[in-house]
Amino acid sequence: KAGVTQTPRYLIKTRGQQVTLSCSPISGHRSVSWYQQTPGQGLQFLFEYFSETQRNKGNFPGRFSGRQFSNSRSEMNVSTLELGDSALYLCASSLRDQANYEQYFGPGTRLTVT
Amino acid sequence: SQQGEEDPQALSIQEGENATMNCSYKTSINNLQWYRQNSGRGLVHLILIRSNEREKHSGRLRVTLDTSKKSSSLLITASRAADTASYFCATDGTTDKLIFGTGTRLQVFP
Repeated sequence: KAGVTQTPRYLIKTRGQQVTLSCSPISGHRSVSWYQQTPGQGLQFLFEYFSETQRNKGNFPGRFSGRQFSNSRSEMNVSTLELGDSALYLCASSLRDQANYEQYFGPGTRLTVT
Repeated sequence: SQQGEEDPQALSIQEGENATMNCSYKTSINNLQWYRQNSGRGLVHLILIRSNEREKHSGRLRVTLDTSKKSSSLLITASRAADTASYFCATDGTTDKLIFGTGTRLQVFP
């Protein structure tokens, strides 16, 4: 089976712009979670989608949003980018119906905001 | 905030030695997981231990869990240079979302 894929792998944006990141989970996985990783804050949970519904949300401002499509593919959007949004954004999918079971991560999207 | 704290933050050993890293967490859990991350890449799941388990093995990995102390340890035996990576514990806490610890950076010298 193909692993979790994320596109694009690298992205450079300017403050104030918006960005959309894409994640394709492993076939058959219905749970998709997003994480932000920075040197200062570490790995932080953004949100989780299951069957097109947001099931959990982390402590991030409303500028961070996401959605999931009927084929389980997911997108996350960050509007009005700030310098502090520079990070590695990781997507993970899970076979089980609960996100706290083992997750399979994609390679990440490295976002740089200038 | 982080649910788990790993200790030590960094560890350097020679090939063939064992590496032990610890994780402490704050709330009750259903399970605890360990992941590995090679520099700047995605995480790879290593092992999951449930709250009613005390020890689990997978190849050269041994994980213990002490729920009374809210702590876990990961032992990598006979380390290899390829084990060089960051290691994270992750717990579900009182919710059903995974919260990751701060990580231990392991460097294995040939």
